[in-house]
Amino acid sequence: QQPVQSPQAVILREGEDAVINCSSSKALYSVHWYRQKHGEAPVFLMILLKGGEQKGHEKISASFNEKKQQSSLYLTASQLSYSGTYFCGTDELQGGSEKLVFGKGTKLTVNP
Amino acid sequence: ETGVTQSPTHLIKTRGQQVTLRCSSQSGHNTVSWYQQALGQGPQFIFQYYREEENGRGNFPPRFSGLQFPNYSSELNVNALELDDSALYLCASSLKAGGPSTDTQYFGPGTRLTVL
Repeated sequence: QQPVQSPQAVILREGEDAVINCSSSKALYSVHWYRQKHGEAPVFLMILLKGGEQKGHEKISASFNEKKQQSSLYLTASQLSYSGTYFCGTDELQGGSEKLVFGKGTKLTVNP
Repeated sequence: ETGVTQSPTHLIKTRGQQVTLRCSSQSGHNTVSWYQQALGQGPQFIFQYYREEENGRGNFPPRFSGLQFPNYSSELNVNALELDDSALYLCASSLKAGGPSTDTQYFGPGTRLTVL
């Protein structure tokens, strides 16, 4: 089941904040966030794990509400380089092995 | 730079033909996953290989097949191409076996396949 992302698109001015949401109808063990710029590969941002552990290395924060099966990505004081499409991926067990199921993405545009 | 490379960058084929796409993973990464990304959509999982064995498969027909080699390279083969196969094909390598839940996936730049 594909996670649902909202909003589909957001336009900001440099320095403004944004929140991108990701929700699933299934119980989640982890949520992954990636950013993809036009014509480029998705780039890892962070993983949020059940139990609160968070792994990431960029100046972007996120939350993971296991009960609500939701995650939110917080982009504060946005920079021009934040522009791109953000995807959340949720883990799903299929045929005895795990796979990542990605949402349709949220397109973020940061203008000067 | 993720250290994952793919070739070719672009490819044009006609319906019914066969295609092979290639991926070179990061050294030491024993797991490679392949994804199909249609325009305006998120990546869709095709299958995953761990140490040269298929380790999971998404909802793709058998005409999508793969190989993984000991030198951290892998292939995606698609037979009997259909127009709907036109997409960006991404490979992603990771360190751990089997489970993406706690493991970062490093994506390659992708191969843009157009089927006419």
